[in-house]
Amino acid sequence: SAVISQKPSRDICQRGTSLTIQCQVDSQVTMMFWYRQQPGQSLTLIATANQGSEATYESGFVIDKFPISRPNLTFSTLTVSNMSPEDSSIYLCSVADRESRTEAFFGQGTRLTVV
Amino acid sequence: GQNIDQPTEMTATEGAIVQINCTYQTSGFNGLFWYQQHAGEAPTFLSYNVLDGLEEKGRFSSFLSRSKGYSYLLLKELQMKDSASYLCAVLDSNYQLIWGAGTKLIIKP
Repeated sequence: SAVISQKPSRDICQRGTSLTIQCQVDSQVTMMFWYRQQPGQSLTLIATANQGSEATYESGFVIDKFPISRPNLTFSTLTVSNMSPEDSSIYLCSVADRESRTEAFFGQGTRLTVV
Repeated sequence: GQNIDQPTEMTATEGAIVQINCTYQTSGFNGLFWYQQHAGEAPTFLSYNVLDGLEEKGRFSSFLSRSKGYSYLLLKELQMKDSASYLCAVLDSNYQLIWGAGTKLIIKP
C-alpha cells in the first residue's frame, strides 16, 4: 500500500490569504486526486492532478481558486487562494493506481480554518 | 447522472450485527469500495468488490450484486470503536471514485 504524507495537518488562516497543501507519496502512482470534505458531509472531488499538464477540475471548481501542481509521479500541491470562511474544510489528497485498480489511499488530511 | 445512495445514520448495539446498504447508478463500473472514517480523520480502506458475491475479512464482510447495482457492508460482533461513518464509493469507467454521502453508525452499549 502507498504511504502518503500530507502537510500541513492543520492551519488557521486569515481571509484573503492563500495556503498551499503538499502531498508526497512513497511510490510512483498513476492517479492523484484532491478532495474537500466539509463538516458532516462526504468527500467532494476538486480535481485530478495530472503529471506534466494542467489538472482536470470538477464542476464548481476553477484553477484560479485552486491551482494544482504535479511535477512528477510522487508529488502534488493544492493551493487554496484568496481564502474566505467558506473555504474552511478538510482537504484530502488521495492516490490510486489505474493499472492495478487498487484502492484509493488517503493522506492524513489538512484541516483548514479561515478566520 | 451518477448516484450513490446509502442511509444517513444507523444505530446498533454492542456485540450485535449491522448491515449497511449501498445502491449505485454510475457510468461504468470498475469496482466498489467501502471506507471507514472516524470523526476528524481521513477515510481508511475496508474492502473492494468487483465480482458478485461476498468477501469476508474478519468481522467485516462486503457483498456485491452488479446486476442490481447493490452492495452491503456487514459488521459482526460490533465494538464501540466501530462507531464511525462508513462510505461507499464506486470506481467509474474513468477510474474516478464516486462517493456516497456516508452512513453514520452509532454503537450503543
